[in-house]
Amino acid sequence: TQLLEQSPQFLSIQEGENLTVYCNSSSVFSSLQWYRQEPGEGPVLLVTVVTGGEVKKLKRLTFQFGDARKDSSLHITAAQPGDTGLYLCAGGSAGTYKYIFGTGTRLKVLA
Amino acid sequence: EPEVTQTPSHQVTQMGQEVILRCVPISNHLYFYWYRQILGQKVEFLVSFYNNEISEKSEIFDDQFSVERPDGSNFTLKIRSTKLEDSAMYFCASSVGGRAFFGQGTRLTVV
Repeated sequence: TQLLEQSPQFLSIQEGENLTVYCNSSSVFSSLQWYRQEPGEGPVLLVTVVTGGEVKKLKRLTFQFGDARKDSSLHITAAQPGDTGLYLCAGGSAGTYKYIFGTGTRLKVLA
Repeated sequence: EPEVTQTPSHQVTQMGQEVILRCVPISNHLYFYWYRQILGQKVEFLVSFYNNEISEKSEIFDDQFSVERPDGSNFTLKIRSTKLEDSAMYFCASSVGGRAFFGQGTRLTVV
């Protein structure tokens, strides 16, 4: 069974601070996606990474896929209250037709 | 920007009743999915669908669940005899090129 563990589970920081969220597995994934989810809404795709070691930037967000494609990280620079939400990673594997979601990191950025 | 749309946004049903949740995937996408999220818990995979047949399903997707693509645009999830534990947010998703996009969800409440 493929599992994706995210850490930390909860994170409360002050506006302007930096943070990193981790997504780890013992399984290899062919792709990994990061989503942000607001309460009562569907996950919104932020980025997809497919190559080991790949780094993608989306404004203040930096995403990295581990060299072995078993883990990923999301780094936010100078967090803002608008970054508050539930961050989810989801892995896809070759030969399967599903994405496995991580346990989620609930981020709160205080003004 | 194209998006996955789901109807209804909320559905309240009595235990034992049948419900049909509807989704319109993004038009050029080939893979379709249903996921559910029980309040406060992980996003769980239910089923994937490609080329008019189920590609993969989870243990949750038992005989009371079925999916159908009745025409060229709609993708439905039917729950034949709802149980209290079926209460959850149900998300439809579609994907192409390894990127999956989710709808806003249907909140199903079984009473």
